[in-house]
Amino acid sequence: VQLQQSGPGLVKPSQTLSLTCGVSGDSVSSRSAAWAWIRQSPSRGLEWLGRTYYRSIWYHDYAESVASRIAINADTSKNQFSLQLNSVTPDDTAVYYCARDWLRWYFDYWGQGTLVTVSS
Amino acid sequence: IVLTQSPGTMSLSPGERATLTCRASQTLTRDYLAWYQQKPGQPPRLLIYGASNRAPGIPGRFIGSGSETDFTLTINRLEPEDFMMYYCQQYGSSQTFGQGTKVEIK
Repeated sequence: VQLQQSGPGLVKPSQTLSLTCGVSGDSVSSRSAAWAWIRQSPSRGLEWLGRTYYRSIWYHDYAESVASRIAINADTSKNQFSLQLNSVTPDDTAVYYCARDWLRWYFDYWGQGTLVTVSS
Repeated sequence: IVLTQSPGTMSLSPGERATLTCRASQTLTRDYLAWYQQKPGQPPRLLIYGASNRAPGIPGRFIGSGSETDFTLTINRLEPEDFMMYYCQQYGSSQTFGQGTKVEIK
């Protein structure tokens, strides 16, 4: 399993952070996996942001801290999933990781990470 | 659930044993605790899941133990490549990480 992240490294305040994670070696429609986004910063440490998973229909779980401005969606035609975080502030500056969330338990495969800086 | 790792930093020599602890603010459902290691500039790597199960490819010197609220990662006979950050993560109630323990060369 490999996860390949893409997306811009610089976002202006109040705009939307958008990242994509391409999956190979597994399917985003897997009945055993969920697909998660996690970020890491010196001030927050490792912070789980949310996940999407397919169990006959698509489900989404989000961390309370970002629930009002986050969306994680899967694109089965491209076997990838995405993160959108709206209304960003400098506090959202972090390294963002995508990861496979096995059984919605632990993270066994990770993307390479993307440093996203929120600055004008 | 808040996870508190201790110590924040430990200084050891290759060949020594490292004992890292992770304390949960509530009892974890079914010992739903994982351990990761992380080198600077790289994503975390899964070491242990279910408190004591090694992930595929992880050497036998990494041993996870504990239950309820108190968990331990023991690294026997430290190798030079083991000196890095270690994090615990619980998945009994949502998912949260500890703040990490740095294992540095003495």
